[in-house]
Amino acid sequence: AQTVTQSQPEMSVQEAETVTLSCTYDTSENNYYLFWYKQPPSRQMILVIRQEAYKQQNATENRFSVNFQKAAKSFSLKISDSQLGDTAMYFCASLNYGGSQGNLIFGKGTKLSVKP
Amino acid sequence: EPEVTQTPSHQVTQMGQEVILRCVPISNHLYFYWYRQILGQKVEFLVSFYNNEISEKSEIFDDQFSVERPDGSNFTLKIRSTKLEDSAMYFCASSRRRGGLDEQFFGPGTRLTVL
Repeated sequence: AQTVTQSQPEMSVQEAETVTLSCTYDTSENNYYLFWYKQPPSRQMILVIRQEAYKQQNATENRFSVNFQKAAKSFSLKISDSQLGDTAMYFCASLNYGGSQGNLIFGKGTKLSVKP
Repeated sequence: EPEVTQTPSHQVTQMGQEVILRCVPISNHLYFYWYRQILGQKVEFLVSFYNNEISEKSEIFDDQFSVERPDGSNFTLKIRSTKLEDSAMYFCASSRRRGGLDEQFFGPGTRLTVL
C-alpha cells in the first residue's frame, strides 16, 4: 500500500528565513506524482507545487522548491524568504499514474508558523 | 477565480441520523472526489466520481455512504446512519482531468460532528 509520512507535526520559522518540511513516501509504482498542499487556517487546501516522478529536475514555484530524491523516496519542501501568509498546515501527497482515477494519498501534515 | 464550495460548513447530528454533505465543484471539471480527515489524523480518500458513476472507492466507503450528482452542479455525499467515528472534516475536490494530470481543487470542508 502507498504511504506518505511527514515526521514533523509542527515547525516554526522567522519571517524572511528559509524552512524545509520533510516528507517520505513508499510506493511500488514507477510512475507517480508528488504534491505539496497548503491549508491556511479555516481555508481550503491549495496546491503549492507538483513533481512528476519521471522528471529528475526539482520543481520550483517562486519561493517554493522541492528536493526530490527518488531513490530515497524523499520529497522535501523548501520555503525561501518565509512570509506571514505562509502560516498554514502543509500536506505532502502522492498519486499513482495509471489505472487509478486519481486519489491522493496524504501525509498527516506539518503545521508551519511563520513568526514576525 | 472559480472555486469549489461546500455546505454546510459545520453539521451536528445525532448518531443514527442521515446527513447529506453538499459540494459545488468548479463548473468545467469532470472528476469529483470526497476525502475526509478525522481530527489529528491523515486526510483519507473516500471516493472518486466520473461520468455519473463511482470510479474508485476506498475501504472506508462502505454501504453507509453514497454519492450523487443530482442536478449537474451539486455533488453530494450521503451518510445513511451516522456513527460516532464518522465525525471528521469532509473535503470535496474536483479536477478537469484524471488524477495527477490536472490539479485537484479542494473545497473548504464540512466539519461533521456526530453526537
